Amino acid sequence: RKEVEQDPGPFNVPEGATVAFNCTYSNSASQSFFWYRQDCRKEPKLLMSVYSSGNEDGRFTAQLNRASQYISLLIRDSKLSDSATYLCVVNYMNTGFQKLVFGTGTRLLVSP
Amino acid sequence: DVKVTQSSRYLVKRTGEKVFLECVQDMDHENMFWYRQDPGLGLRLIYFSYDVKMKEKGDIPEGYSVSREKKERFSLILESASTNQTSMYLCASSHTLGGQGAGAFFGQGTRLTVV
Repeated sequence: RKEVEQDPGPFNVPEGATVAFNCTYSNSASQSFFWYRQDCRKEPKLLMSVYSSGNEDGRFTAQLNRASQYISLLIRDSKLSDSATYLCVVNYMNTGFQKLVFGTGTRLLVSP
Repeated sequence: DVKVTQSSRYLVKRTGEKVFLECVQDMDHENMFWYRQDPGLGLRLIYFSYDVKMKEKGDIPEGYSVSREKKERFSLILESASTNQTSMYLCASSHTLGGQGAGAFFGQGTRLTVV
């Protein structure tokens, strides 16, 4: 079983739609969680950090469910510019140092 | 703003060459990472470092080594480049934040082609 699993998509949605992605993780010792956005042929960029139950930033909401070991990302009122790949990242501290584990990403396509 | 800078955007090297990829960060981060990213496989951790002169193997260290002589600089070395090391290489850095770990910031990536 992969440490971090995501549906690769693509998710095709019209502008203005609400879309949600889920991500499951296997290591119950995971301590913090992140969503990254990656545009084609560019580096990943940090979108949101999730340290407790959830986090909201404008149109983006991230939620964490520790009992079921998943995090979600909700995007409201989708824009064309939201088209990208969204990477789920799980962090845990291992004997004093940080290990980040990336999912393979969910591709989102927002159309006019 | 955090800045992570990789020395090259594109590199073409020959099989058997020794290749150096350099990464510099300007935010005094303790942790630095090297990943490679391939279609369908996502980001895979090669090596990471949590302090000067410290290094830990990631998930795919074979064929690679690293050096961290200064806190701001983390170098990835391909001892003898092979065609299966053609990939996008991404460097990242992060703080250790209150024992939890903070999000990492990435350099722009180096697209390496080995011919």
